[in-house]
Amino acid sequence: GESVGLHLPTLSVQEGDNSIINCAYSNSASDYFIWYKQESGKGPQFIIDIRSNMDKRQGQRVTVLLNKTVKHLSLQIAATQPGDSAVYFCAENKGSNYKLTFGKGTLLTVNP
Amino acid sequence: GAGVSQSPRYKVAKRGQDVALRCDPISGHVSLFWYQQALGQGPEFLTYFQNEAQLDKSGLPSDRFFAERPEGSVSTLKIQRTQQEDSAVYLCASSSDRFYQPQHFGDGTRLSIL
Repeated sequence: GESVGLHLPTLSVQEGDNSIINCAYSNSASDYFIWYKQESGKGPQFIIDIRSNMDKRQGQRVTVLLNKTVKHLSLQIAATQPGDSAVYFCAENKGSNYKLTFGKGTLLTVNP
Repeated sequence: GAGVSQSPRYKVAKRGQDVALRCDPISGHVSLFWYQQALGQGPEFLTYFQNEAQLDKSGLPSDRFFAERPEGSVSTLKIQRTQQEDSAVYLCASSSDRFYQPQHFGDGTRLSIL
C-alpha cells in the first residue's frame, strides 16, 4: 500500500562523521516531504523540508536530497554531534492531502 | 506561546474511564492536527482542524474518540470508555497554512490505560 518507509532502522556513527539517513516513498503523488528529529520523551522537531519541484535543499549542517525517479529521500547530517542522537522520521504529504504520513524512523546513535 | 503546548504530559486512567487531552497551538496557526504514536512507531494521523472546522476525522479509531476546537484555538481530544489499546502518546501539531508548511509538534501526552 501507500507508505513511507526507511531502509535502515538503526545507524551508529562516530562524532564528527557525516550521517546519511534514507527514506523511500511509494506514492508518486506526494509533493512535500519533511524530516523530523525526535528525542526521547519529546515531540517530533522540524529539521528541514523539501517540495517535489526541488532536488536538493540545504540547511544548517543538514541537506535533504530528493530523487523522484526512484522515490527516494535522504537526510545528510554533516559533522555529526552527540546531540544529534535521536530517532529521525521522514514524512510525506500526498498531493493536496495535508495529513502527514510518517515512516517508522531511524535511530541515530553518535559515539563520542 | 513559542511552541505547541500539550497537557497533561502524562495521564494514567483505568479502563472504562473518560480522558481529555488539551492542545494549545502556536498563536496564529489556523491548522491543527492530532496524531497517535505507538511505542517505536511513527505518528499516525487522527484528525485535522482548520480554525474551528473539523475537516478530516478519518483517522479516529472509533466513535469513542472525539475532538473539538470550538473557538479555533485550543483543541481537546476526548476518549470515552478508554481501553488498553488506547495507550499511546497523543501528539498535537499546528501549522500556518494547509500546503507546504511544516507542522510543528508539541511534546505530547503519554496516556496509559490500566
